[in-house]
Amino acid sequence: QVQLVQSGAEVKKPGASVKVSCKVSGSTLTELPMHWVRQAPGKGLEWMGGFDPEDAETIYAQKFQVGVTMTEDTSADTAYLELSSLRSEDTAVYYCATGSKGDYFDYWGQGTLVIVSS
Amino acid sequence: SYVLTQPPSVSVAPGQTARILCGGNNIGSKGVHWYQQKPGQAPVLVVYDEGDGPSGIPDRFSGSNSGSTATLTISRVEAGDEADYYCQVWDSSSDRHDYVFGTGTKVTVL
Repeated sequence: QVQLVQSGAEVKKPGASVKVSCKVSGSTLTELPMHWVRQAPGKGLEWMGGFDPEDAETIYAQKFQVGVTMTEDTSADTAYLELSSLRSEDTAVYYCATGSKGDYFDYWGQGTLVIVSS
Repeated sequence: SYVLTQPPSVSVAPGQTARILCGGNNIGSKGVHWYQQKPGQAPVLVVYDEGDGPSGIPDRFSGSNSGSTATLTISRVEAGDEADYYCQVWDSSSDRHDYVFGTGTKVTVL
């Protein structure tokens, strides 16, 4: 059974960076393209970006093309989301998510809360 | 960019049927997927390709899609169905490939 386990909550000051991890078990990163979804407090789900296996590259939603970097360590079956130049508006829960078919997400991590506060 | 619009809230009595709408331009031509999210929890896929449910999801959850509206139907609603529900599509209509979520609907069981 596929499981995604994310790193723990983070508290950062404005202008800092943070790196969130997502470890895959029960499968491998090469079989499950990883994506990241943001949920600000009391708000809906926003797709940030992820790996597009058709073009073999990471794609980012227009809103997240600056200050966001998604990487993968396939040897460790771990995906990473790095956010730089953090602002208070980046306070949110960040989920990793993936799917067996590709156009929906049937596996989700538990979420990582990132709080940006001075 | 592609936009999916949902009503903010739907209320339903136990045992009745809840219908949650998801509007989008020509959404009938796309695969529509639905997620349930309870407070403090990660989303869970309840319907994919607007009709099928993953294993472990009750068959009380079903979907349909036509024209400009997709619908998630929850039959014989139970108290445990109270949650936020989001529709989602994969949009390849432009030169971009985007995953788009709807605005979300809070289902309240009366």
